Amino acid sequence: DSGVTQTPKHLITATGQRVTLRCSPRSGDLSVYWYQQSLDQGLQFLIQYYNGEERAKGNILERFSAQQFPDLHSELNLSSLELGDSALYFCASSPGRGGLYNEQFFGPGTRLTVL
Amino acid sequence: AQRVTQPEKLLSVFKGAPVELKCNYSYSGSPELFWYVQYSRQRLQLLLRHISRESIKGFTADLNKGETSFHLKKPFAQEEDSAMYYCALSSYNQGGKLIFGQGTELSVKP
Repeated sequence: DSGVTQTPKHLITATGQRVTLRCSPRSGDLSVYWYQQSLDQGLQFLIQYYNGEERAKGNILERFSAQQFPDLHSELNLSSLELGDSALYFCASSPGRGGLYNEQFFGPGTRLTVL
Repeated sequence: AQRVTQPEKLLSVFKGAPVELKCNYSYSGSPELFWYVQYSRQRLQLLLRHISRESIKGFTADLNKGETSFHLKKPFAQEEDSAMYYCALSSYNQGGKLIFGQGTELSVKP
């Protein structure tokens, strides 16, 4: 499968813990985007990386951080977890920096449950 | 502020009936509008983008700048169209991030 992949599929952890979500973009895509999908907030943009550098930031909490590595995969780190962080976290990738002809392809998501 | 509004949380129609999923946006500038579909909590898939003016799975959407709307339409709904539909706004100047509406769940009954 040459599409966007995310690991793990499911993650259950406790409040106060730290987790790392991983995303591998489509082959050749340079941009990676992270989104959070929750029942109360809907789909919210968190952060974008383009070719290893941060390009845009949304309402990402200070407890959350991300990076994109030289092989272009990305990791989203969530720390001091709270119950409200329980959500589906999607990663998307696109060939360029963004824009109309720069379709974003989404991964299957990581479902995070904080108990 | 940039915002996307989908006023209907749930839209229920019978098979063969016309469908219109509403989307309104607020954006200062030239927006890029998209419709994404999500089947049974699977990954989001791009359905339409306003620039292409194409029809996918029988769906069409027209950007109306005067009414700041990008409604999604289909003349005859099918049961397999049942899914969550998200309208989204993008801006190249802000990195191409997508701003999503709250989504409309379309339920097509037999």
